[in-house]
Amino acid sequence: DVKVTQSSRYLVKRTGEKVFLECVQDMDHENMFWYRQDPGLGLRLIYFSYDVKMKEKGDIPEGYSVSREKKERFSLILESASTNQTSMYLCASSLGAAGDRETQYFGPGTRLLVL
Amino acid sequence: AQSVTQLGSHVSVSEGALVLLRCNYSSSVPPYLFWYVQYPNQGLQLLLKYTTGATLVKGINGFEAEFKKSETSFHLTKPSAHMSDAAEYFCAVSDHYGGATNKLIFGTGTLLAVQP
Repeated sequence: DVKVTQSSRYLVKRTGEKVFLECVQDMDHENMFWYRQDPGLGLRLIYFSYDVKMKEKGDIPEGYSVSREKKERFSLILESASTNQTSMYLCASSLGAAGDRETQYFGPGTRLLVL
Repeated sequence: AQSVTQLGSHVSVSEGALVLLRCNYSSSVPPYLFWYVQYPNQGLQLLLKYTTGATLVKGINGFEAEFKKSETSFHLTKPSAHMSDAAEYFCAVSDHYGGATNKLIFGTGTLLAVQP
């Protein structure tokens, strides 16, 4: 079974802090994704990565950056946290061109509260 | 551009009743369609997916969905609801002509409540 883990289930930070959210997958997937989930808005794509050191902006990248130094790890960075970034953050991964690249596997989520 | 509309943000059924969650999509290419379920305080879990072939797709936990091209729909059904089905359900369509990385476009979700 694919396993996607996220470093924290719950996180409380202060406005202006730098925040790191970590995601690790154990199935050698090429693609990794970061979403935020807000009530009534569904899931919105922040950034995704199709290879090590490669990244592309999703629909709402403002205020976020990402890092992918190793294939299994994809980090989401909030450079200066703001209250409007309070949300549930979900990481996902999928195979690349060689396999079932449509199906995404999700981690348990990190619920971030910015005070 | 692809998009997904889920009709009804909240649906309530009685235990044992039919579950019907509606999803309509917009796509300029033949769509790949998905239903995911999210139980409280958890991530999303794949219920079922349609890519090609048979238009009636069976998934886990007794759920199924039918792809109807003429209606641009992919509604999710289960003949008899169980208390454990209470969760949020997301329909998604895949942008599968974008090279090696396929992005998913999600609907806004339907929260299913099951009454005893």
